[in-house]
Amino acid sequence: EVQLVESGGGLVQPGRSLRLSCAASGFIFDDYGMHWVRQVPGKGLEWVSGIGWNGGNIGYADSVKGRFTISRDNAKNSLYLQMNSLRPEDTALYHCVKDLSHGYFDLWGRGTLVTVSS
Amino acid sequence: EIVMTQSPATLSVSPGERATLSCRASQSVGSNLAWYQQNPGLAPRLLIYGASTRATGIPARFSASGSGTEFTLTISSLQSEDFAVYYCQQYNNRPLTFGGGTKVEIK
Repeated sequence: EVQLVESGGGLVQPGRSLRLSCAASGFIFDDYGMHWVRQVPGKGLEWVSGIGWNGGNIGYADSVKGRFTISRDNAKNSLYLQMNSLRPEDTALYHCVKDLSHGYFDLWGRGTLVTVSS
Repeated sequence: EIVMTQSPATLSVSPGERATLSCRASQSVGSNLAWYQQNPGLAPRLLIYGASTRATGIPARFSASGSGTEFTLTISSLQSEDFAVYYCQQYNNRPLTFGGGTKVEIK
């Protein structure tokens, strides 16, 4: 089955860290760029970060630059997001998404919820 | 950053009627625009890319047009499963940006 399954979300205090993971299956993972997109429940979508098929072409939203790090392990068909210095405004559902070509997304995971609160 | 503005925020339409959604970019994105549909509790689904190309499996009642800064998504005859939130997204420049969404609700 073609799918993306996120994990690693949870409740964390401001200033702490969290690492999200995304397990991909059913497609050739290292043929595609991958991204993280977040959504505050009931609100819109915000692109967080993206990475090319070979680990290059990395980009971040200004809101997370310097705090978040995206990476991937093609041998494990996995995508990661290391989130440091978390803020309450980072609270959202984080989706792992597959880049079909040049930045639009044909496969979305259901998301993992990150809540930043004291 | 390219700002994407969608209108209207909410569109009330009767089943079987036509719905027209708009998306405007703050600067030209060429044809590098995608549309997504999101039903409650589900992840978004790709409908359109390249401003007018339907994604795999998307019914023909969905059509889209536009280039540059003005884009339109049309649903020709609304079915029950089409009542959802629709987002446009530009991928011409990073950061990739989404519109705020249009909710299509039953009239």
